[in-house]
Amino acid sequence: DTAVSQTPKYLVTQMGNDKSIKCEQNLGHDTMYWYKQDSKKFLKIMFSYNNKELIINETVPNRFSPKSPDKAHLNLHINSLELGDSAVYFCASSQLGGNTGELFFGEGSRLTVL
Amino acid sequence: AQTVTQSQPEMSVQEAETVTLSCTYDTSESNYYLFWYKQPPSRQMILVIRQEAYKQQNATENRFSVNFQKAAKSFSLKISDSQLGDTAMYFCAFMNYNNNDMRFGAGTRLTVKP
Repeated sequence: DTAVSQTPKYLVTQMGNDKSIKCEQNLGHDTMYWYKQDSKKFLKIMFSYNNKELIINETVPNRFSPKSPDKAHLNLHINSLELGDSAVYFCASSQLGGNTGELFFGEGSRLTVL
Repeated sequence: AQTVTQSQPEMSVQEAETVTLSCTYDTSESNYYLFWYKQPPSRQMILVIRQEAYKQQNATENRFSVNFQKAAKSFSLKISDSQLGDTAMYFCAFMNYNNNDMRFGAGTRLTVKP
C-alpha cells in the first residue's frame, strides 16, 4: 500500500486549461504539503495544511488553489494553465511535532503545458 | 523563512571512494531538524539521514554520516565507499519543528564513476 499517492503521474495539457492533481496519504499524518520542482530540480514549497487548515501559503499565483477535504487528502487545482507551470509537483505528508520530522513524498506528478 | 544553501551544483566521485557534500543554513530558530534527501532518476524522494538540532552527536546511517556544526550552521553529508547506486541529486533540507515548514537547498548532482 503506497503511503502517499498522487494522481495522475503524468499530465499533458494545453495553455489556458484547468487541471487538478489529487493526493492521499494513509500514514495518519496531520500535515500535508505541495512542492513544485522546476526544470533545474529546485524544490519550492507551495502550500502546507495541518488538519485541513492552511498554515503555509508561499507566493503562489492565485490560479493555484489547494483543497483539503480531510486530513488524509490534499488536492491541487490549477486554473488557466501557463507554460511556466510545467514542472513536477510533489505531495508530501508529516506529523506535526512528531519525533522524526520526516516528510514522506509521493512519486510526483509531471505536468507539461503546451 | 529559513534558507538552505548548497554551494556545489555538481560533484563526481570514483566508486569505492569517499565524497562530502556541503550544506549551510540560516535560521533564528532553536528547535529544528536537518535532513539529506536523495532523488535518483526515478524522481522518488528518499530520506538518507536526519539530525535533530538538540543532539550534539552526528547522525550516521551505514555508509552515510553527517558533520553537524550548529554554531557554524553547517550540515555536510559524507558518503563512504561510494556505489554506482548513489548517483542521484542530493538535497539538504531544514525543518522548523514548530510548524513543520521544510525548506530545501538547490541540490547537488552526484555522479559515481566506475
